[in-house]
Amino acid sequence: GQQVMQIPQYQHVQEGEDFTTYCNSSTTLSNIQWYKQRPGGHPVFLIQLVKSGEVKKQKRLTFQFGEAKKNSSLHITATQTTDVGTYFCARRNTGGFKTIFGAGTRLFVKA
Amino acid sequence: SQTIHQWPATLVQPVGSPLSLECTVEGTSNPNLYWYRQAAGRGLQLLFYSVGIGQISSEVPQNLSASRPQDRQFILSSKKLLLSDSGFYLCAWGDGRTYGYTFGSGTRLTVV
Repeated sequence: GQQVMQIPQYQHVQEGEDFTTYCNSSTTLSNIQWYKQRPGGHPVFLIQLVKSGEVKKQKRLTFQFGEAKKNSSLHITATQTTDVGTYFCARRNTGGFKTIFGAGTRLFVKA
Repeated sequence: SQTIHQWPATLVQPVGSPLSLECTVEGTSNPNLYWYRQAAGRGLQLLFYSVGIGQISSEVPQNLSASRPQDRQFILSSKKLLLSDSGFYLCAWGDGRTYGYTFGSGTRLTVV
């Protein structure tokens, strides 16, 4: 299937440090979505990007969609303990019926 | 507003026993409904999805089945559970257009 690959698998940071997770595809994506799952919780939709080179911000979170629409990134500025969790990228197929998730990047923040 | 209900929150079942997990959605009509499974510390595996009453698409052949008896009800079942069926089962709904999925709070299933 057309998977999306996420790196890194895990990231440990000190509170206040920045964090970035990357999502890559071998094929062109029509869209990329990002979700956050807190420990013990369920995934929560954060954002969807559809345009080449698109950049969107949500407070300390910056989401980018690559020019070639084959990669995306999520950057968190000055992490806080509330940022702890797993961040998933996902691609929705062209027909819109299915969304395939990456393996996720688990973020640990040390106070 | 739309809400999604999933129960039970946790379940411990013996090997060979049946399973029925239910998911209902409120505040929307004709939603696309999904069942995902997440193994401990792992990603989300799409199991089934449905775009309408009585319609089920299976993504992974296995020991599970799904049904959609009503527009906003989605059921995950098994006749005989295996140890490998343990995991975190998540129901989700989406409109298939602009926005991402809304997930239920999930069911943690342990098969013993």
